[in-house]
Amino acid sequence: DTGVSQNPRHKITKRGQNVTFRCDPISEHNRLYWYRQTLGQGPEFLTYFQNEAQLEKSRLLSDRFSAERPKGSFSTLEIQRTEQGDSAMYLCASSFETGGRETQYFGPGTRLLVL
Amino acid sequence: SQQGEEDPQALSIQEGENATMNCSYKTSINNLQWYRQNSGRGLVHLILIRSNEREKHSGRLRVTLDTSKKSSSLLITASRAADTASYFCATDEGTDKLIFGTGTRLQVFP
Repeated sequence: DTGVSQNPRHKITKRGQNVTFRCDPISEHNRLYWYRQTLGQGPEFLTYFQNEAQLEKSRLLSDRFSAERPKGSFSTLEIQRTEQGDSAMYLCASSFETGGRETQYFGPGTRLLVL
Repeated sequence: SQQGEEDPQALSIQEGENATMNCSYKTSINNLQWYRQNSGRGLVHLILIRSNEREKHSGRLRVTLDTSKKSSSLLITASRAADTASYFCATDEGTDKLIFGTGTRLQVFP
């Protein structure tokens, strides 16, 4: 399968714990995006990378959230001291950007439940 | 924040009927994309239409874009039960990120 993959698919954690999600983009894609989706809503942008550089962060991304893409390939999203309001689906997408704002391809998502 | 709104919020039809859903957005765009999402799963890209295009077809899908009205429509012809899903439009708002609407939930009954 050459699509975007995300792990784990589901995560249940207790409030206050740290969690880390991983995203593997389509191999030749230089852009990687993170979005968050709550029930009944469309996805909301969190952050994105061009190769290993993090170019933009949403104000939704509090200081408890950190994302990395150390070698310009896979990315991790870490949430520290989780809160119940962090419960959501976390979606990763990738694209091959040539300046034309190309199609973003999404992974299956990681569903987080904070108890 | 959400860029736009899809209309209707929910739509129920019989197999074989056509389904039309609309999307309105707020600012200038470079392109608009439609995605499908089956219950609780990831998003599948359906079609991208650029701001200088007015209509685009892909199989049973037809998308129109009216930049003067800041609106788009997605038509699914000859619907099937497998088309049951939520459909989202997404715009770039002139930036590199996608801004999604709230989605239309389509139910196709056999």
